Amino acid sequence: GAVVSQHPSWVICKSGTSVKIECRSLDFQATTMFWYRQFPKQSLMLMATSNEGSKATYEQGVEKDKFLINHASLTLSTLTVTSAHPEDSSFYICSARGLAEHYEQYFGPGTRLTVT
Amino acid sequence: AQSVTQLDSQVPVFEEAPVELRCNYSSSVSVYLFWYVQYPNQGLQLLLKYLSGSTLVKGINGFEAEFNKSQTSFHLRKPSVHISDTAEYFCAVSVKGGSYIPTFGRGTSLIVHP
Repeated sequence: GAVVSQHPSWVICKSGTSVKIECRSLDFQATTMFWYRQFPKQSLMLMATSNEGSKATYEQGVEKDKFLINHASLTLSTLTVTSAHPEDSSFYICSARGLAEHYEQYFGPGTRLTVT
Repeated sequence: AQSVTQLDSQVPVFEEAPVELRCNYSSSVSVYLFWYVQYPNQGLQLLLKYLSGSTLVKGINGFEAEFNKSQTSFHLRKPSVHISDTAEYFCAVSVKGGSYIPTFGRGTSLIVHP
């Protein structure tokens, strides 16, 4: 149980375009979803926290107009990188937390974004 | 605010040898502690967690960790490693009664040599 999927697993886009990444909880309802960014050989950096049906809470230094997060249902959250630039290239990981176990997050497999 | 220190960025070890990956945390209140493993180009997989009770926690793949409150440590151990254990390992801490959003350490790269 507690499976989280991400789509796509990797994506290449041209500079200036937008790309959407989906995060789904497959077998549980995720009241809260988290989006992380990970640079090579570094730890996870929390970008934002989203609760179903409400606006996301962004961490300091994360541009909310650039990284649009939507958590429209209890099983789906999306991250849209708008007007992508090469410096946005990174590994993006989502995680989800259910109602029952508020202390534990379940992580998706990640999405490798490359902006050319 | 809580913080996590993973003292070793890289730990090389030979196959079938024991290994210990160190993790120290800082928090003024009670915490939950986690160890995650990340294989190349994959997300994080939970190895084990300490919530309360017994300070020795056993996880998947033969790993275990011991919570030491006086030393604020949560070191990860395995008595005999395999080549397949080569991966990045992250220690994380979250505060009880808070947002439960974990703070991650910088990670330790375990490299198992044949």
